[in-house]
Amino acid sequence: GAGVSQSPSNKVTEKGKDVELRCDPISGHTALYWYRQSLGQGLEFLIYFQGNSAPDKSGLPSDRFSAERTGGSVSTLTIQRTQQEDSAVYLCASSLTLDRVGEGYTFGSGTRLTVV
Amino acid sequence: DQQVKQNSPSLSVQEGRISILNCDYTNSMFDYFLWYKKYPAEGPTFLISISSIKDKNEDGRFTVFLNKSAKHLSLHIVPSQPGDSAVYFCAATGTASKLTFGTGTRLQVTL
Repeated sequence: GAGVSQSPSNKVTEKGKDVELRCDPISGHTALYWYRQSLGQGLEFLIYFQGNSAPDKSGLPSDRFSAERTGGSVSTLTIQRTQQEDSAVYLCASSLTLDRVGEGYTFGSGTRLTVV
Repeated sequence: DQQVKQNSPSLSVQEGRISILNCDYTNSMFDYFLWYKKYPAEGPTFLISISSIKDKNEDGRFTVFLNKSAKHLSLHIVPSQPGDSAVYFCAATGTASKLTFGTGTRLQVTL
């Protein structure tokens, strides 16, 4: 597609439920990244993929968070047993390759997650 | 430990004047610095970047300056336009895979 697409754009869920957030990167982009932005904070790195592989999972806040990427394209971020502190905007980004950092990533519009 | 700091949460500038947004960092391993602009309900948009081997990079109305000894960078917007009103994030990286972001500065360009 022309840009990075994320769905849903908004999600309200009850505490304790599981949620799945989806990201469709720009076609041909091999690198994909997940960040989140909590209220009044900067963007916090969660995880990145090179192809389908996630070499660095250190940014995931807890073992309730997991992510996968299939076919070198779509990625899903799953949060199990959601907590109120998980409320944030979850942003996905992609880039052509990992080593073109100077060209910046292209971000999607994000999924606003609210846990009530 | 906040490795990238934007100490001014907001800035107001008149249209046509210069906007200067500042950013400080603590990690000497950072070797690339980027600025992103964010409008409400949209994802951040890449603006401009600078490698640590340079001290200045220009792109149209946007110039980024890097002072490595002071661990400080700034974004200059000249002239400022109302459409520049947004939140600006400074980011830094020492690896290509992860950006460390500041908390952002909200720029308001007034008529």
